[in-house]
Amino acid sequence: AQTVTQSQPEMSVQEAETVTLSCTYDTSESNYYLFWYKQPPSRQMILVIRQEAYKQQNATENRFSVNFQKAAKSFSLKISDSQLGDTAMYFCAFMKHWGFGNVLHCGSGTQVIVLP
Amino acid sequence: GAGVSQSPSNKVTEKGKDVELRCDPISGHTALYWYRQSLGQGLEFLIYFQGNSAPDKSGLPSDRFSAERTGGSVSTLTIQRTQQEDSAVYLCASSPGSPGDTQYFGPGTRLTVL
Repeated sequence: AQTVTQSQPEMSVQEAETVTLSCTYDTSESNYYLFWYKQPPSRQMILVIRQEAYKQQNATENRFSVNFQKAAKSFSLKISDSQLGDTAMYFCAFMKHWGFGNVLHCGSGTQVIVLP
Repeated sequence: GAGVSQSPSNKVTEKGKDVELRCDPISGHTALYWYRQSLGQGLEFLIYFQGNSAPDKSGLPSDRFSAERTGGSVSTLTIQRTQQEDSAVYLCASSPGSPGDTQYFGPGTRLTVL
């Protein structure tokens, strides 16, 4: 079974500053995908960034970047130059590579609050 | 193009009533997933469709829950004889259907059972 752990229930950051969210996971799979999704009060889960486990290079999307440490099974998200619109719940998620219909396994989320 | 849509946005019902929740996936996406999210929690998988068939129903919590998908497109999740513990946000996601494809979510339906 896959488990995803987010140990920070809530984090606050000043506008324009940087915040890092931690995520660890447990799996026996060798190939898989990792995601960060953002869920604002509107409820919709929005993809922030995606990482393929077979790629050593860390994924980056504009102000969002990850630090993927496969051996440590760690997948942290860094939000640079935080903006008020970044305020949301952030979920780390794991998905197996092989087979169809692979379910997303999510952590319990980290609430990010960007302060003006 | 249009994203995943869900209706209704909010549903309030009385205990014991049946409810139907609808999901309209992204056009061309063959895979469709239903998840449930209780207050302050992550996602709980309910059921997965590939086309019109449901190879994985393992997450349905009881036989009061059922789902169907017609025409490889719209899906309906039905909850019979609702209970208060069914109160949650029900999220639908779709993906193109190949292994590893990213899942794209709808805005969810908030179900409240009184």
